[in-house]
Amino acid sequence: GAVVSQHPSRVICKSGTSVKIECRSLDFQATTMFWYRQFPKQSLMLMATSNEGSKATYEQGVEKDKFLINHASLTLSTLTVTSAHPEDSSFYICSAATSGRQETQYFGPGTRLLVL
Amino acid sequence: DAKTTQPTSMDCAEGRAANLPCNHSTISGNEYVYWYRQIHSQGPQYIIHGLKNNETNEMASLIITEDRKSSTLILPHATLRDTAVYYCIVTSGGSNYKLTFGKGTLLTVNP
Repeated sequence: GAVVSQHPSRVICKSGTSVKIECRSLDFQATTMFWYRQFPKQSLMLMATSNEGSKATYEQGVEKDKFLINHASLTLSTLTVTSAHPEDSSFYICSAATSGRQETQYFGPGTRLLVL
Repeated sequence: DAKTTQPTSMDCAEGRAANLPCNHSTISGNEYVYWYRQIHSQGPQYIIHGLKNNETNEMASLIITEDRKSSTLILPHATLRDTAVYYCIVTSGGSNYKLTFGKGTLLTVNP
């Protein structure tokens, strides 16, 4: 149980284009989903938290207009990197949690984004 | 959330127990100790968590000292697939559910 998937697993795009990453909880309903970013040889950094049906809460320094998050259902959240630039190249990881114990997060396998 | 301190790296022989320490001397009464691990180029994996009592599941055991200022994650019979970065995270939960990942411990299981 507690499986989270991400799609795509890897994406290469041109600078200036937008990229959408999907995160799905496959066998449970996720009231809260989280988006992290991990640069090479660094630890995970939380970007934003989203609750189903409401606006995402972004961490300090994360541009909400650049990283659009939608959490339209209890099993799906999407992250759209708008007007991507090479510095946005990173490993993007989502996680999902159920209500009551949101620290027990189940992570997706990650999406590696390379912006050329 | 309380800060944690972990060794940068550890080695363990395959089949032996791996004991990963974590110091969290500023932990407060309502804060839980969580352990996650991240195998290279994958998303983190939840392992175990505890508040005061020792905990055990199919993956590992968590030993928390009586004063709660430190804990040890035990992998009873390490395999090569247990090679990963292990993160010890302290969080109070409730409305403050964020997980702050530090540098963790790189555990290398050797054949």
